[in-house]
Amino acid sequence: DSGVTQTPKHLITATGQRVTLRCSPRSGDLSVYWYQQSLDQGLQFLIQYYNGEERAKGNILERFSAQQFPDLHSELNLSSLELGDSALYFCASQQGLNTEAFFGQGTRLTVV
Amino acid sequence: GQNIDQPTEMTATEGAIVQINCTYQTSGFNGLFWYQQHAGEAPTFLSYNVLDGLEEKGRFSSFLSRSKGYSYLLLKELQMKDSASYLCAVRESSGGSYIPTFGRGTSLIVHP
Repeated sequence: DSGVTQTPKHLITATGQRVTLRCSPRSGDLSVYWYQQSLDQGLQFLIQYYNGEERAKGNILERFSAQQFPDLHSELNLSSLELGDSALYFCASQQGLNTEAFFGQGTRLTVV
Repeated sequence: GQNIDQPTEMTATEGAIVQINCTYQTSGFNGLFWYQQHAGEAPTFLSYNVLDGLEEKGRFSSFLSRSKGYSYLLLKELQMKDSASYLCAVRESSGGSYIPTFGRGTSLIVHP
């Protein structure tokens, strides 16, 4: 158990809908990353937050947004869902900006 | 940006030694990580190299040559449970943040 908690574990939803994925980082970790992993792709970096502020953006679609709250948990919002958004979404946390990242168990999103 | 290459698949025999290579091209290099990922599960941290040389951790060792943009993960005394995907990730400093970018992973199959 990495100490990073993601909910829900599984999510099935229809195209055009909106979902929110939640991540609670390890105690004391200030930095949160979101990654997307599709069957035919590796882990794709989406966005990073550090202590409540956005620090870096990767290949995140405009239909996706995220935030980190004062208690350091983070949410990833996916809207106008398409079939191609079906993937595993991982959250990872790390203590600072220069340490190793620990991953949550992921949310498996299936868009039908 | 980064370009990370690692073999797609490798097979090895239980009890043997296997070396998984990773080559990369990046600016602002800030460390290289190896993660293990079983299918459908979270990546788990194995090793971290930021300086040239070999880091040993039990049955696993990781080597880095920054001048050559090259790393390898060495797994000794292979066990069946080592069958998994091994992800090479390069952390690059960018605008005050440090983002790990992952290769597509090497699927290792250990057979009896």
